[in-house]
Amino acid sequence: AQKVTQAQTEISVVEKEDVTLDCVYETRDTTYYLFWYKQPPSGELVFLIRRNSFDEQNEISGRYSWNFQKSTSSFNFTITASQVVDSAVYFCALSEASYGNNRLAFGKGNQVVVIP
Amino acid sequence: DTAVSQTPKYLVTQMGNDKSIKCEQNLGHDTMYWYKQDSKKFLKIMFSYNNKELIINETVPNRFSPKSPDKAHLNLHINSLELGDSAVYFCASSQVGTGNRGYTFGSGTRLTVV
Repeated sequence: AQKVTQAQTEISVVEKEDVTLDCVYETRDTTYYLFWYKQPPSGELVFLIRRNSFDEQNEISGRYSWNFQKSTSSFNFTITASQVVDSAVYFCALSEASYGNNRLAFGKGNQVVVIP
Repeated sequence: DTAVSQTPKYLVTQMGNDKSIKCEQNLGHDTMYWYKQDSKKFLKIMFSYNNKELIINETVPNRFSPKSPDKAHLNLHINSLELGDSAVYFCASSQVGTGNRGYTFGSGTRLTVV
């Protein structure tokens, strides 16, 4: 069974501060995919990043960066110099290649509130 | 040229009614899904169809019945609506077997049962 844990429920930061969202996953598969999605107040799910289990390179995209560590089964997400527009719920998700049905299992999400 | 479109965006209905939510994707994907997001924002898979065949059927009441007339469409019909069915329902699609394992979501349907 696959499982994704996002321990922090709600995180408040003052604008321009950095914020890191932790994601710990659980899988028996050697091949799997990890995702982060953003859900702004408007409600749509916005894809941010996909990483497969064989690619442990960290990634930076503008103010967003991701740290993938297989040794600790973590795929953490950092927003640098946060802005009010970053206020949203962020979901970490896992898909296992061998599951056979392609399901995407989500964590419970992190509500990020950026205070101006 | 929306990739995954669901209709309606909002649905308000009375308890006991039957309603449907439609979903269409124009990405050529072979797999489609329905996810339910509850009031605590938790996203959980309900159903998945691969080439019109049901492959995931989570513990969902029988009142929920998905229908896939072709691989580009996956509709969700709900009978005898209950207050607890109020949620946001997301349709999604993906192409099984590709190395990139991408999922594309629709914009969601907010269902309110009164």
